[in-house]
Amino acid sequence: ETGVTQTPRHLVMGMTNKKSLKCEQHLGHNAMYWYKQSAKKPLELMFVYSLEERVENNSVPSRFSPECPNSSHLFLHLHTLQPEDSALYLCASSQDWSSYEQYFGPGTRLTVT
Amino acid sequence: EDQVTQSPEALRLQEGESSSLNCSYTVSGLRGLFWYRQDPGKGPEFLFTLYSAGEEKEKERLKATLTKKESFLHITAPKPEDSATYLCAVHRTADSWGKLQFGAGTQVVVTP
Repeated sequence: ETGVTQTPRHLVMGMTNKKSLKCEQHLGHNAMYWYKQSAKKPLELMFVYSLEERVENNSVPSRFSPECPNSSHLFLHLHTLQPEDSALYLCASSQDWSSYEQYFGPGTRLTVT
Repeated sequence: EDQVTQSPEALRLQEGESSSLNCSYTVSGLRGLFWYRQDPGKGPEFLFTLYSAGEEKEKERLKATLTKKESFLHITAPKPEDSATYLCAVHRTADSWGKLQFGAGTQVVVTP
């Protein structure tokens, strides 16, 4: 595997379900990010981790819970989501938290029913 | 309030028909401006970084330029494989780390 990978690629869940999104980077980077991309709207930064420590929580509802067990893996745990949370969730990584060149994964298309 | 605005929202071009995309920004201080390309079903792919007014970067048929208020992405003699959504993002001097503020993108379709 190369670059940034995300699983699953597609996810349909009910509002009472609990699920997790997984991201793995194979670039040796030290910073990882979660973004939300909704149709016709700019990418919204959700969380930033640098060396496994959370640097930023961009006013994200508590129904989204990130986890970064090491510098190569990032998870987004989901519970009691709302239909408006349906979107493409993108993971990205960069060399470190001051590096502006971010490399993105293919995203997970989430649908909340 | 800091804003990043891209225009047009969508652009349809004939193969070989050159055009430009615009990214205007109003931020208190610009540390850098970035262009990304996003294909359907994929994450954004990094294209260019511009740091100061007057700077230009080129890659194949793409050329990015920067002024104090906006950036342009010129597509010269586009081919169908240039069809994608092009995103711009800014990094503000107020942010000490790699926090990017994105525009909504311009969707480009190039027809043969």
